[in-house]
Amino acid sequence: EVQLVESGGGLVQPGRSLRLSCVVSGFTFDDYAMHWVRQAPGKGLEWVSSINWSGGGIDYVDSLKGRFTISRDNAKNSLYLQMDSLTAEDTAFYYCAKGYCASSSCRIDYWGQGTLVTVSS
Amino acid sequence: DIQMTQSPSSLAASVGDRVTITCRATQSFNNYLHWYQQKPGKAPKLLIYTASNLQTGVPSRFSGSGSGTHFTLTISSLQPEDFATYYCQQSYSAPFTFGPGTTVDIK
Repeated sequence: EVQLVESGGGLVQPGRSLRLSCVVSGFTFDDYAMHWVRQAPGKGLEWVSSINWSGGGIDYVDSLKGRFTISRDNAKNSLYLQMDSLTAEDTAFYYCAKGYCASSSCRIDYWGQGTLVTVSS
Repeated sequence: DIQMTQSPSSLAASVGDRVTITCRATQSFNNYLHWYQQKPGKAPKLLIYTASNLQTGVPSRFSGSGSGTHFTLTISSLQPEDFATYYCQQSYSAPFTFGPGTTVDIK
């Protein structure tokens, strides 16, 4: 059974940093790209970042480039999101998600349950 | 960046109704378009991938079509468990943008 379990969310003051983690099981982690997707309370989904199987291919939504850093440790079956200089607009549920590619079409086929990040003083 | 729009933003329908949701992109791409269902308090779930392919385990009342800039998700006969919010997402080029969502409510 595929499982993705996020951790590291919580209440953080504006301007501070936070690091999210996602531990996966049930599939061969280093065969797949991984994503972070966020959702502000009551709002829609926003794709944040993705990283390919080796960590050598990384993309970000333009608005977060320079503040957020995605990484992975294949030996630990873990995905990370380092978030710096946080603002209230970063308050959201953050989902870890597994990518799947076939015939050059990639989609997200499994999602974690999300971890809530609240940025407030 | 490719922007995605969805229409309607919400709709009210009855059990047994046929429901169609439209997703449009600001630039044309092949069929790298996927549909997700999200219920309140839950993570999204993949329904349709690459425009028209049903994800394993998803009921056959869900179907997808389209290419280029215009895509549709159809629920042939709405069931009580289908009341949810539906999102399209393009995976043609990063950032892999989602549409704003369509909420399907009970009439």
